[in-house]
Amino acid sequence: GEDVEQSLFLSVREGDSSVINCTYTDSSSTYLYWYKQEPGAGLQLLTYIFSNMDMKQDQRLTVLLNKKDKHLSLRIADTQTGDSAIYFCAEPVWGGSQGNLIFGKGTKLSVKP
Amino acid sequence: DVKVTQSSRYLVKRTGEKVFLECVQDMDHENMFWYRQDPGLGLRLIYFSYDVKMKEKGDIPEGYSVSREKKERFSLILESASTNQTSMYLCASSRAGGGTNTGELFFGEGSRLTVL
Repeated sequence: GEDVEQSLFLSVREGDSSVINCTYTDSSSTYLYWYKQEPGAGLQLLTYIFSNMDMKQDQRLTVLLNKKDKHLSLRIADTQTGDSAIYFCAEPVWGGSQGNLIFGKGTKLSVKP
Repeated sequence: DVKVTQSSRYLVKRTGEKVFLECVQDMDHENMFWYRQDPGLGLRLIYFSYDVKMKEKGDIPEGYSVSREKKERFSLILESASTNQTSMYLCASSRAGGGTNTGELFFGEGSRLTVL
């Protein structure tokens, strides 16, 4: 079956860069997504990347996409304590754009002051 | 501001009770979803709907049913709650596919259900 894989935990010091990695399964996926979940809340879209791009930068966030290896990463520069959350990688079911997504189990990012 | 609203943030129910979890979105989205989230298991899809009165089973539909009588409202029903249904339930919505749609899912804040 389909499975999106990501490590479960990451701990960094405030001010360092964080890199969260993900492997996905469907090479035909049109978009790939990163969602953020703060404690006690739902998920919010953090950023996404279109499959014909290798990289997308948005302020402190950089997304890298390696389609050959089906590898997606999220880099957070100058990580702050407010970045502590669970980060989910997601890809569409059957590569489509209906919003039916498969999620990884989430990476819990802990930022130490 | 666009919104997906789940009516109850916290519920405590007893085994065997019928439980309704309500979700309303104000974005005129065609698609709505119910997930449950458990530690170590991530998000698992229970049911989804691409149109009014339409429903499709997700990965773990057993013990659940849904209702979509109006476009903006998608209800999750536990006919007879059991302790293994203690979980965080997340509702989400999205636009229909195609065109310039990026397929983004918009989530509610979640409903934490405890079944005793």
